[in-house]
Amino acid sequence: SYVLTQPPSVSVAPGQTARITCGGHSIGSKDVHWYQQKPGQAPVLVVYDDSARPSGIPERFSGSNSGNTATLTISWVEAGDEADYYCQVWDSSSDLQVFGGGTKLTVL
Amino acid sequence: QVQLVESGGGVVQPGGSLRLSCAASGFSLGVYGMHWVRQAPGKGLEWVAAMPGDGRNTYHANSVKGRFTISRDNSRSILYLHMNTLRTDDTALYFCARDRVWLAGFDYWGQGALVTVSS
Repeated sequence: SYVLTQPPSVSVAPGQTARITCGGHSIGSKDVHWYQQKPGQAPVLVVYDDSARPSGIPERFSGSNSGNTATLTISWVEAGDEADYYCQVWDSSSDLQVFGGGTKLTVL
Repeated sequence: QVQLVESGGGVVQPGGSLRLSCAASGFSLGVYGMHWVRQAPGKGLEWVAAMPGDGRNTYHANSVKGRFTISRDNSRSILYLHMNTLRTDDTALYFCARDRVWLAGFDYWGQGALVTVSS
């Protein structure tokens, strides 16, 4: 089955740029979606189709996808961005949705 | 506004059954694909099942295939997850979620229903 690999944790100082990666075989050929989940809350879609932002999501959130790695980039990180982030794809070969293991973003 | 409200969670013994419901409002359920996603305590997200708006097909994770069944009643705007032969590792918070467009990201989520499988 298709596997998505994320780093368990990423730390960044306020005002800096956070990059969270999501690795998968030829992930560049798939559409990648990213979610933010804060403690005790449901996930929120922050990027869809590799790089598009839902309405209401700040421009500080952006995404890219190529080769075997997709990346969620959060510019000018704020304390409120501290959360778990998950990538997601649809694996058409198995007709299954797949989530990455999640990355905990810590704002120092 | 769009709302998804799960119900039906609870404590059940291993081998037992439970049916979760997800009441949808603020949109026409039959137009959108819907999913169930679960999260075990302290763990990450795990996709469980999906059904497109037309209900012609269903998709289930390997971990629940043959035990869980997703269904929907578009006339009542309710999504269901029928869970049989429950195991302790099915213990989780179960979310229902709406597809923005089929397989293009989940734009709305409920707050979840807690299922605890324990003897």
